[in-house]
Amino acid sequence: DAGVIQSPRHEVTEMGQEVTLRCKPISGHNSLFWYRQTMMRGLELLIYFNNNVPIDDSGMPEDRFSAKMPNASFSTLKIQPSEPRDSAVYFCASSTGDPPNEQFFGPGTRLTVL
Amino acid sequence: GNSVTQMEGPVTLSEEAFLTINCTYTATGYPSLFWYVQYPGEGLQLLLKATKADDKGSNKGFEATYRKETTSFHLEKGSVQVSDSAVYFCALINREDTGFQKLVFGTGTRLLVSP
Repeated sequence: DAGVIQSPRHEVTEMGQEVTLRCKPISGHNSLFWYRQTMMRGLELLIYFNNNVPIDDSGMPEDRFSAKMPNASFSTLKIQPSEPRDSAVYFCASSTGDPPNEQFFGPGTRLTVL
Repeated sequence: GNSVTQMEGPVTLSEEAFLTINCTYTATGYPSLFWYVQYPGEGLQLLLKATKADDKGSNKGFEATYRKETTSFHLEKGSVQVSDSAVYFCALINREDTGFQKLVFGTGTRLLVSP
């Protein structure tokens, strides 16, 4: 079975450019999570979707960040405009149902903003 | 609020040594507790979990017991291997507080095992 798929695996861009990260959750999972990992701040939850609806986006750093989930098999995280401090590894994870279940993580996208 | 505190790393051990990584938590009610492992260049993988007090989670020789009286979930392994070198994250979900499946992570503990 395919796990959570993320693309691209690596992204290098220049400050001010738009960046779009993509995620395909595991088929049948109804919850999707976007995380950011940095040395300074560790793992941070950015946003959580349940049944394609954003439930909690309180972790989104600022208006430059936006996330969408147009259907059950696809989500995007967009940064516009990007800044050097956005450099991090961005993980997508998915899970299913109640009670709180295992979250399956994708391999991550390593973003470098120059 | 909910929080997880892990011991600082790195933890450096020789192969076949005994491992303990301490984890304590703060939460109301009865959170579910998890240990995740992150190998270099990869995403996090669930290592083990426990959903109620006195439960013991185990996998791949690792164990952790949910101790509500000490609010702890320490990770142990009797004999580590070089292949166990990774970063280990303790985490909790407290649905009573947040109402959804928000994982609260500790800062992670890097384990380095030498031959």
